[in-house]
Amino acid sequence: RKEVEQDPGPFNVPEGATVAFNCTYSNSASQSFFWYRQDCRKEPKLLMSVYSSGNEDGRFTAQLNRASQYISLLIRDSKLSDSATYLCVSRALSGGYNKLIFGAGTRLAVHP
Amino acid sequence: SQTIHQWPATLVQPVGSPLSLECTVEGTSNPNLYWYRQAAGRGLQLLFYSVGIGQISSEVPQNLSASRPQDRQFILSSKKLLLSDSGFYLCAWRTSSDQETQYFGPGTRLLVL
Repeated sequence: RKEVEQDPGPFNVPEGATVAFNCTYSNSASQSFFWYRQDCRKEPKLLMSVYSSGNEDGRFTAQLNRASQYISLLIRDSKLSDSATYLCVSRALSGGYNKLIFGAGTRLAVHP
Repeated sequence: SQTIHQWPATLVQPVGSPLSLECTVEGTSNPNLYWYRQAAGRGLQLLFYSVGIGQISSEVPQNLSASRPQDRQFILSSKKLLLSDSGFYLCAWRTSSDQETQYFGPGTRLLVL
C-alpha cells in the first residue's frame, strides 16, 4: 500500500467550478501535511500547508482529519491557470530525520 | 534570495553509459539537499539526502550514487545506466532549521534508450 494515496484524476471542470481533491495517508506518525502544485514538465512548488484546524488561502481551503488519516483540498471559482497536478505530501520522522512522502498527484484540467 | 540550479535540463543516454547530474544552491549556507526521481504517473521517490559536505544517506538500493563535494553542490551519478533509470530527476533544498518546506530545482529529464 502506498504511504500517500490520491485519486489520479484527471478532473475536468469548467471555469468557475468548485473542485475537491482527497488524499489518505497510512503513517499515523505523520506530523505535517502539505499540498504542492506541479505544472506540466515543471518542478513541484508548495501551494499550502495543511493545519489540523483547517486553513484557507484565497480560493483554496485545506482540511485535515487525523482520526481518518484524510486530507482534502478545495478549490473554489476555478481558473484556467489552476490547471496542474496537485501533490498531497506528508512529513514524518523516519530513520532519525524528517522525510517528505509524496502522493502520485491528482491532475486538474480547467476548461473555458 | 536563494536559487537552485540543475543541469542539464534534458538528457538522452544509451543503456550502459555513465551519468552525472549537478545541482547547486545559491544564497544559503549549509542547506539540507535531496535528490528525487519522478517516474511517469508516480510520486516523487527520495533517492538521497545530505545534511553536510561528504554526508550522504541513501534511501533505496540502486545503481545510482550521490556526492556532495562542496556545501552547496550535490551530484547524482551512475557508472552504467539502466532503462529503468529514465525519469525526471529533481534536486531540492531546505534550511537546516526549517523542517517544513523544501524548494525544488527545475529538474533534469533523463531518457535512457
